[in-house]
Amino acid sequence: AQSVTQLDSQVPVFEEAPVELRCNYSSSVSVYLFWYVQYPNQGLQLLLKYLSGSTLVKGINGFEAEFNKSQTSFHLRKHSVHISDTAEYFCAVSELGGGSNYKLTFGKGTLLTVNP
Amino acid sequence: ETGVTQSPTHLIKTRGQQVTLRCSSQSGHNTVSWYQQALGQGPQFIFQYYREEENGRGNFPPRFSGLQFPNYSSELNVNALELDDSALYLCASSGTNKKTTEQYFGPGTRLTVT
Repeated sequence: AQSVTQLDSQVPVFEEAPVELRCNYSSSVSVYLFWYVQYPNQGLQLLLKYLSGSTLVKGINGFEAEFNKSQTSFHLRKHSVHISDTAEYFCAVSELGGGSNYKLTFGKGTLLTVNP
Repeated sequence: ETGVTQSPTHLIKTRGQQVTLRCSSQSGHNTVSWYQQALGQGPQFIFQYYREEENGRGNFPPRFSGLQFPNYSSELNVNALELDDSALYLCASSGTNKKTTEQYFGPGTRLTVT
């Protein structure tokens, strides 16, 4: 069974600073990897996904993530954050060929707070 | 193209009661997944339906059950509610075949059990 660990429960940063949200996963088979964002009182919005190919994935709102198979990591980065990036961020994995096709296993989330 | 919608937005129930939550999939999507998100936690997979049949289930007891209708809308039913069932319930719809990779989430239903 797969699992996801988000290493930081909260990350406070100042506006226009760079940020990295860390995610490690565990799985015995190949996986797809995702980052979702959740704004207060809203559902989840997909930021980006890694399926195959280039290990550097670019998503919406200037976010990017790098898949590192040897370290089983998929860290999310942004070069310069805005106040509007304040939200909860979830890393998720989906095992290939699992019984529940493409069910997502989520981490516990990282609350990114961008201060002025 | 309409997105995923859920109803109701909020719900308060008493322990032991039953509840039904509803989800309308994004247009053209035939797969729906339900997740439970407890406060301060990530979403947990409850089950998935593909073309009206259950296509996998997470670690939830049988009192959590579901239905998917011919128009691909879906229901989540929870019997004998417990206090720990208080959570945000999210449904997500996805593409046109079992191998689709992207799930589109609705805004969720906030269930409070007292």
